[in-house]
Amino acid sequence: AQKVTQAQTEISVVEKEDVTLDCVYETRDTTYYLFWYKQPPSGELVFLIRRNSFDEQNEISGRYSWNFQKSTSSFNFTITASQVVDSAVYFCALNSGTASKLTFGTGTRLQVTL
Amino acid sequence: DAGVIQSPRHEVTEMGQEVTLRCKPISGHNSLFWYRQTMMRGLELLIYFNNNVPIDDSGMPEDRFSAKMPNASFSTLKIQPSEPRDSAVYFCASSQTRWETQYFGPGTRLLVL
Repeated sequence: AQKVTQAQTEISVVEKEDVTLDCVYETRDTTYYLFWYKQPPSGELVFLIRRNSFDEQNEISGRYSWNFQKSTSSFNFTITASQVVDSAVYFCALNSGTASKLTFGTGTRLQVTL
Repeated sequence: DAGVIQSPRHEVTEMGQEVTLRCKPISGHNSLFWYRQTMMRGLELLIYFNNNVPIDDSGMPEDRFSAKMPNASFSTLKIQPSEPRDSAVYFCASSQTRWETQYFGPGTRLLVL
């Protein structure tokens, strides 16, 4: 079975603060893929990143960065210098070998205020 | 590319009526997925197709739900008869293969009265 846990239900920060969203996953497969999606208030699901289990390199894209650690089964997402437009629900998801389908975490609602 | 297209964007219907949701995947994508999002259950996979063939429908709630993919560019999700507990946002997503990134449509917000 595969499982994704996002323990932070809601986070509030002031603009320009850094914020880290946690994601812990469970799978018995050695091959798997991890994802982050953003769901802004408008409701669509926007793809942010895909990472496979064999690539533990951290990734940076502008103000976004991801820290993948297999030793702790975590795939955390950091937003640097947060902005109001970052306010959204962020979902971590897992697609592993045998299941071959996305399992989503419950999401973390990020509220960035001025 | 136009992205995944879903219609209608909003649907309000009365209990007992038939509801049909439509999806056009991204051209060239071989896998198509239907998800449902509710406050209580979050995002859950209902069914997915690979090369137009249903592979896993274990998430389909009950016999009232059915899904088809008659060709590579069109899929439907039908609820008959609809019930108030079916009220949710239904997303369609597609990917090149079942391992690749899934791109989501804008969703259909369904309200069953």
